Amino acid sequence: DAKTTQPPSMDCAEGRAANLPCNHSTISGNEYVYWYRQIHSQGPQYIIHGLKNNETNEMASLIITEDRKSSTLILPHATLRDTAVYYCIVRVRKAAGNKLTFGGGTRVLVKP
Amino acid sequence: GAGVSQSPRYKVTKRGQDVALRCDPISGHVSLYWYRQALGQGPEFLTYFNYEAQQDKSGLPNDRFSAERPEGSISTLTIQRTEQRDSAMYRCASSLGENRGMGTQYFGPGTRLLVL
Repeated sequence: DAKTTQPPSMDCAEGRAANLPCNHSTISGNEYVYWYRQIHSQGPQYIIHGLKNNETNEMASLIITEDRKSSTLILPHATLRDTAVYYCIVRVRKAAGNKLTFGGGTRVLVKP
Repeated sequence: GAGVSQSPRYKVTKRGQDVALRCDPISGHVSLYWYRQALGQGPEFLTYFNYEAQQDKSGLPNDRFSAERPEGSISTLTIQRTEQRDSAMYRCASSLGENRGMGTQYFGPGTRLLVL
């Protein structure tokens, strides 16, 4: 699975959009971009995923560049409860065995 | 519906003892994963089951670690002759299966293991 690079930390103002970048320059054509987050000591929580088109759900939007070498997770209106470590993961969707390889993630602190 | 559950939530044991950690996946989920998470780091893959078959155990650190899922539902991760370096949060995740949906994994609350 391709390696990802994320900034170690970032701050965001409550109510503003949070834009979380992720570089995955070695991504292959059949690899998807997944985002998970981990709030304090809870288990990781799925946020969103995409292949090449931009995606949006009730939690966030995912913008993937045309060359697919990078992506941005957007939290449109950050709240204090969005404070968490956000992980960008790239992986192939295989018939079985899609283990998640977590990197360091981005520690996001939403400030009032 | 109920999410992934794990028991015990906390386990303190003495070095050299065996421990068994249990995972009860979401009903109907055929894929089950075990991860280990050290403080301040992301989860690290240990092993994976599809139904009752252990498909990948490449992440198990050594032969003291084993896992089973005999009936394709509940899974047990066993650590024999525990060592202090085994202290960590052990997390279980389940998914519908890679041929159904996109393989989104749902994580349990974890078992925090402390080896004295």
